[in-house]
Amino acid sequence: GENVEQHPSTLSVQEGDSAVIKCTYSDSASNYFPWYKQELGKRPQLIIDIRSNVGEKKDQRIAVTLNKTAKHFSLHITETQPEDSAVYFCAATLRGLTGGGNKLTFGTGTQLKVEL
Amino acid sequence: EADIYQTPRYLVIGTGKKITLECSQTMGHDKMYWYQQDPGMELHLIHYSYGVNSTEKGDLSSESTVSRIRTEHFPLTLESARPSHTSQYLCASSAGTGGNEQFFGPGTRLTVL
Repeated sequence: GENVEQHPSTLSVQEGDSAVIKCTYSDSASNYFPWYKQELGKRPQLIIDIRSNVGEKKDQRIAVTLNKTAKHFSLHITETQPEDSAVYFCAATLRGLTGGGNKLTFGTGTQLKVEL
Repeated sequence: EADIYQTPRYLVIGTGKKITLECSQTMGHDKMYWYQQDPGMELHLIHYSYGVNSTEKGDLSSESTVSRIRTEHFPLTLESARPSHTSQYLCASSAGTGGNEQFFGPGTRLTVL
């Protein structure tokens, strides 16, 4: 089965700095890689995702990069703000031909703290 | 409003009791999932279902069972609760085709004394 490793487990940055979280996966067949953000006491929510036919995707201050050869993908947050403080989870799965969500294998999470 | 609902939100119960955690979704999704998560920690998939009358065990061994008799309903049952079951349980759902996103419910925080 799929195995996803995530680093670092905790990350502290100054407001305005960039933050990078890295994940590696084991199953070369995986083709869909979402990132979830979980604020304290809240449910996880999707913030960005990438499919294996794309190397990079951006959404305002958030970007994700994918290296299929090396089987790793990363989340980049620029100009960090206090509201970015949360736990971030990467995940991987094999998306079927007709689309639709399948079971995800999650990384172990990164606690990001943005300090003023 | 389309959403995922979990009840109860908090439950404190004694060892040996049978409990059922409820999960319902009005998203129109075919696929549903149960995760176990200690606060802020890793999400462990314990059960999932790709449709009515279809259930599978997840990656984390669990003493719980699930059923999927109706598309919108995916309850999780613990026949005999133990202190090791103390955790947060998150229900999620995703579409059968098209979109990939998993939508999570608010969770049930279970404490077994």
